[in-house]
Amino acid sequence: EPEVTQTPSHQVTQMGQEVILRCVPISNHLYFYWYRQILGQKVEFLVSFYNNEISEKSEIFDDQFSVERPDGSNFTLKIRSTKLEDSAMYFCASSYLTGSYEQYFGPGTRLTVT
Amino acid sequence: GQQVMQIPQYQHVQEGEDFTTYCNSSTTLSNIQWYKQRPGGHPVFLIQLVKSGEVKKQKRLTFQFGEAKKNSSLHITATQTTDVGTYFCAGGPYNQGGKLIFGQGTELSVKP
Repeated sequence: EPEVTQTPSHQVTQMGQEVILRCVPISNHLYFYWYRQILGQKVEFLVSFYNNEISEKSEIFDDQFSVERPDGSNFTLKIRSTKLEDSAMYFCASSYLTGSYEQYFGPGTRLTVT
Repeated sequence: GQQVMQIPQYQHVQEGEDFTTYCNSSTTLSNIQWYKQRPGGHPVFLIQLVKSGEVKKQKRLTFQFGEAKKNSSLHITATQTTDVGTYFCAGGPYNQGGKLIFGQGTELSVKP
């Protein structure tokens, strides 16, 4: 069964450093998402992406965050200057269509900012 | 802003007992989805409800979407130890690029 993959599985970085989290969505999917989950809390929407542009973003997704689809397969989330409160599990998801279609989540990248 | 509230936060049951988690949105939704997350794992899609008043069943799991498309429930009959995990509802607002607003989740533990 096709699946979303994410790398790395765990990233440790120092406050103020830039990080790039990588995702390979399912190949025929058209919509891509980033969510985050602080330990023990709910999953929070960050951004959705379609046709090479952001279609929706949350208040969390401020100027420190950016997304890119640099080639036909990868989807990346960049955090320019990490803060302690950015420590969380970051999930990438993809769906074939938007709206009422299931989203397939990747295994996540655990980001630890020290 | 839009919110999805989910209760209870925790539920401990004896194996064989039933379990229900409830979800309520502050706004009308285009659809609601349910996900299960095992400890240390990622959310895994269970089901999606789209129509007002819709009821869907998957073996021992029954999902309902309210008439006003603002509330939903998941009921598990005769829980098993394999049902352990956190169950999240996730509401899909209209015209918001596929965004899902997750509830806080209900963590289910099952005592054998």
